[in-house]
Amino acid sequence: AQSVAQPEDQVNVAEGNPLTVKCTYSVSGNPYLFWYVQYPNRGLQFLLKYITGDNLVKGSYGFEAEFNKSQTSFHLKKPSALVSDSALYFCAVRDSNRDDKIIFGKGTRLHILP
Amino acid sequence: NAGVTQTPKFRVLKTGQSMTLLCAQDMNHEYMYWYRQDPGMGLRLIHYSVGEGTTAKGEVPDGYNVSRLKKQNFLLGLESAAPSQTSVYFCASSFGQCNSGNTIYFGEGSWLTVV
Repeated sequence: AQSVAQPEDQVNVAEGNPLTVKCTYSVSGNPYLFWYVQYPNRGLQFLLKYITGDNLVKGSYGFEAEFNKSQTSFHLKKPSALVSDSALYFCAVRDSNRDDKIIFGKGTRLHILP
Repeated sequence: NAGVTQTPKFRVLKTGQSMTLLCAQDMNHEYMYWYRQDPGMGLRLIHYSVGEGTTAKGEVPDGYNVSRLKKQNFLLGLESAAPSQTSVYFCASSFGQCNSGNTIYFGEGSWLTVV
């Protein structure tokens, strides 16, 4: 069965420092991987996705993610954090062998400290 | 462009009451989903639909029913509300073509409290 794990419930980073939010996955086929962000009292917003091709994917608001097939990971990164990046981040995976649904991780709360 | 619209946004129910959450999308998407979000649990899939007239169970379907009579609408029903169904409910949609990585788009959420 497909699954996705976000090992950290919360990540604290000082403003201006690089940030990483971790995600690992398990699928039977090729993975389609996504990152979403949720601001307070709002729906989830799409940040970026990996389908195929370059392992480094660039997305909205300066975020990027690196697909690592051998480590089955898709960590979200940003070179320099902003206070406005503070939010709840979700990793999600869709199995290419199961064209029905996307599975979300439990979310990681990112706090950017001024 | 409205995207995915959910109604109502807030609702308080008494235990045992029934209600329906309505989701509408104007993007001509085939796939639609209902998720619930609870603290520490992330998003859990309740039911989903891969096209008009079809529905399927997700991870936590018990106590909920759904209908997809029109392509643009996906209704979530609570037959007899329980306090355990207090949650934030999100509707979402995507094109969902075969073997593709289509982006899923979310509504703004519906806050439901069952007392």
